[in-house]
Amino acid sequence: EDKVVQSPLSLVVHEGDTVTLNCSYEVTNFRSLLWYKQEKKAPTFLFMLTSSGIEKKSGRLSSILDKKELFSILNITATQTGDSAIYLCAVEAGANSKLTFGKGITLSVRP
Amino acid sequence: IAGITQAPTSQILAAGRRMTLRCTQDMRHNAMYWYRQDLGLGLRLIHYSNTAGTTGKGEVPDGYSVSRANTDDFPLTLASAVPSQTSVYFCASRDTDRGNSPLHFGNGTRLTVT
Repeated sequence: EDKVVQSPLSLVVHEGDTVTLNCSYEVTNFRSLLWYKQEKKAPTFLFMLTSSGIEKKSGRLSSILDKKELFSILNITATQTGDSAIYLCAVEAGANSKLTFGKGITLSVRP
Repeated sequence: IAGITQAPTSQILAAGRRMTLRCTQDMRHNAMYWYRQDLGLGLRLIHYSNTAGTTGKGEVPDGYSVSRANTDDFPLTLASAVPSQTSVYFCASRDTDRGNSPLHFGNGTRLTVT
């Protein structure tokens, strides 16, 4: 059975801090790993990673994948209160491209 | 604006009643999905459809049914609602014909079964 584990489950930081969110996985026939940000409603897409060692970057957010050690990290630098959200990791695997989600990481950024 | 529309936004439903959650997308995506999101459990797949005319069971299908008569619509039906089906329901879609592609989500339906 495919498994995706995110850690920590929740995190409280102060504005300006840097945070690292973790996602490890055990799946058969890995295809891609995706990160989403969820505020009040729908999860919104952040990154899709398919290759090891290639960093994806968007403003203060960046992510990298390690296919040998089976994990990904999402970094947020100079955090702002608007970064407060649930961050979801999902892994796509198998011939039918099944997506398995982790339980999510709740990030709270205090002013 | 292209995207996924879910209706209703929220609903309070008496146990034993039948309910259909609606989902429509205008992106011509071939694959569609229904997830439920519960505190501490994350997003769990209920049913999916890889293309119009086909459906499949996800991780938690019991008590739910779906149909996919056309590309755009993917309704989720609760035949006889129970309190454990209280949750936030998200419809999602993606274009799997284009290789790796992200899921796009609707804004969700908050359902309370009393």
